[in-house]
Amino acid sequence: NAGVTQTPKFQVLKTGQSMTLQCAQDMNHNSMYWYRQDPGMGLRLIYYSASEGTTDKGEVPNGYNVSRLNKREFSLRLESAAPSQTSVYFCASNFADRSDQPQHFGDGTRLSIL
Amino acid sequence: QKEVEQNSGPLSVPEGAIASLNCTYSDRGSQSFFWYRQYSGKSPELIMFIYSNGDKEDGRFTAQLNKASQYVSLLIRDSQPSDSATYLCAVKATSGGYQKVTFGIGTKLQVIP
Repeated sequence: NAGVTQTPKFQVLKTGQSMTLQCAQDMNHNSMYWYRQDPGMGLRLIYYSASEGTTDKGEVPNGYNVSRLNKREFSLRLESAAPSQTSVYFCASNFADRSDQPQHFGDGTRLSIL
Repeated sequence: QKEVEQNSGPLSVPEGAIASLNCTYSDRGSQSFFWYRQYSGKSPELIMFIYSNGDKEDGRFTAQLNKASQYVSLLIRDSQPSDSATYLCAVKATSGGYQKVTFGIGTKLQVIP
């Protein structure tokens, strides 16, 4: 039971570098999400994909791009990393069209930008 | 005003006591309510969800929902040191045809042996 798998688990980047965070789910969920979690700020939605082929901005999309590659995979890209993007990033998925369905989270990616 | 509000804590309770965690929300159209537990350095894991007014019990956990007052709470009976974690309240509402989930900042619970 893999659930939601995120790679990498840890990453250190220099300012200006780019990278892509990968997320895959095996629960046949139609919706996927990217959050960042910072101390005192809670979980903040960066981007989401309500269904395969669609993506929409969340609360804090600036500096990020996403790709819903297929139903299983949803990637998050930092084109030019900034120290303000140092955070823990969580991917989640669920059946968003069902009100009783919670989000299932991956283990997170701990990203440091120097 | 934040859409989902929680006291960040820490809330300290002695072992064996009842821990009461509270959450208020602003969207009256909210339909479903979830409590997640998050241990330090780990990802959130679902504890309970509730969508009808009243109480819902699962083992030592009871979720309470009052839509008129727009609050949801989580009671943990016979608190154990292993319950020490941050508890996130999440509220689901329909927004523009999409079911949006908003999280509170979480309440840190410390159970003292």
